Amino acid sequence: GENVEQHPSTLSVQEGDSAVIKCTYSDSASNYFPWYKQELGKRPQLIIDIRSNVGEKKDQRIAVTLNKTAKHFSLHITETQPEDSAVYFCAARSGGSNYKLTFGKGTLLTVNP
Amino acid sequence: DGGITQSPKYLFRKEGQNVTLSCEQNLNHDAMYWYRQDPGQGLRLIYYSQIVNDFQKGDIAEGYSVSREKKESFPLTVTSAQKNPTAFYLCASTRRTGSSFNQPQHFGDGTRLSIL
Repeated sequence: GENVEQHPSTLSVQEGDSAVIKCTYSDSASNYFPWYKQELGKRPQLIIDIRSNVGEKKDQRIAVTLNKTAKHFSLHITETQPEDSAVYFCAARSGGSNYKLTFGKGTLLTVNP
Repeated sequence: DGGITQSPKYLFRKEGQNVTLSCEQNLNHDAMYWYRQDPGQGLRLIYYSQIVNDFQKGDIAEGYSVSREKKESFPLTVTSAQKNPTAFYLCASTRRTGSSFNQPQHFGDGTRLSIL
C-alpha cells in the first residue's frame, strides 16, 4: 500500500519568514495530494490540494509543488503569521478503485512573533 | 465543516464496554471514513464506506465495527476487543464524481475517547 513520509516533524520560524514542509510517497499511481491544517483539538481543514496532472498550485501565501518523477510534494507558506501556527498534514490518494487517503505524521509549525 | 456532525464530543469507556460514536452528514456525500488520531501518528484509517450497505476495512480495523444503513450515517463501534481505544476519532466524507471519489475529504469535529 501507499506510504507517506513527512518532514520535518517540527518547524519553528519567525513571523514573516517562509516555511517549507516536504512529503514523499511510495505509490507511483497516486494522483491526488491534499494538505490539511489542524489547530489544537479541532478538525483538519483542507488548505490546498494538487492533482497529478499539475506541477504547482498557488493560493495567496500558500503554494504546493509536485514532482511525480521523484514522488515528492511540498507545501510552501510565505510571509508567515502567528495564526499559521498549527499541525500540517500531507496526504496521498492511491489510484485504483479504493481511493483511500494515506496521511503523513504531521508537522507542528510554530510562528514566533 | 458544518455538514458533518460527530457526537459526543467526549466519551468515556469502562473496561469490557462497547461504545458507539456517531457521525452524520447532510452534504449528500457518497463516501464516509473513520480515522483514529494519536499524538505523533497522523491520521490512520479504520473503516470506510463508498456506498450504503457496504464498507471496507482500513489499516487498523481490529477492535472496531461499523454499519452504513443510511447514506447520511456511519456510526463506529469501539468494542471491548480494542485494548487501547484512547484517541481522537475523526469522521470524514467525500462526494463521488462519476465513478471517482477523487474529491477532497471534509472532516467532522471529532470525538475524544478515554478509558475510565
